Amino acid sequence: KNQVEQSPQSLIILEGKNCTLQCNYTVSPFSNLRWYKQDTGRGPVSLTIMTFSENTKSNGRYTATLDADTKQSSLHITASQLSDSASYICVVSVYDSWGKLQFGAGTQVVVTP
Amino acid sequence: DVKVTQSSRYLVKRTGEKVFLECVQDMDHENMFWYRQDPGLGLRLIYFSYDVKMKEKGDIPEGYSVSREKKERFSLILESASTNQTSMYLCASSAQETNYGYTFGSGTRLTVV
Repeated sequence: KNQVEQSPQSLIILEGKNCTLQCNYTVSPFSNLRWYKQDTGRGPVSLTIMTFSENTKSNGRYTATLDADTKQSSLHITASQLSDSASYICVVSVYDSWGKLQFGAGTQVVVTP
Repeated sequence: DVKVTQSSRYLVKRTGEKVFLECVQDMDHENMFWYRQDPGLGLRLIYFSYDVKMKEKGDIPEGYSVSREKKERFSLILESASTNQTSMYLCASSAQETNYGYTFGSGTRLTVV
């Protein structure tokens, strides 16, 4: 069973609108949680990283939240742009000596004009 | 600009061929990883290496082997390619001093016919 579940699987939003992506995880022991953006045919690029003591982190129009008690995270995209069309992947790090990661399956976001 | 470079963006190979996928990083990272990414399954770890000449199996090592003769280079080998190995292959590197933040390559889209 995947230890990192993302929802929705995909969504379509109008340019300029906001959206929120969800990530629930069961990974333990938890080290940190990251959100990556992956453009089609490209490797993932890091957006944010949060440890268990952080509950929010922003990167431009992207804001990630983390509730380590309920093991939930969200990624909020503000004033979406066409370039935001991509897959957004939630990644949870297991606490060990080399940082093994557990990946969600991703949410495919399509921003339309 | 630091980077992880994968030698090929697209490859087409025949069933039974021996296939080499090369990955080079210029960040002096100790850890390197090979993942495959398939629709709906997310990224799955094939092999990783935490030092030169060291390698560990990931979640799906069957049908693959790896080589790390130098710190900056990590090669993935498909001993006898099969059609079910058609996938996107992503290389990544990380280091403890960056809290194991992953840097990904751009990926290699391999098609086995």
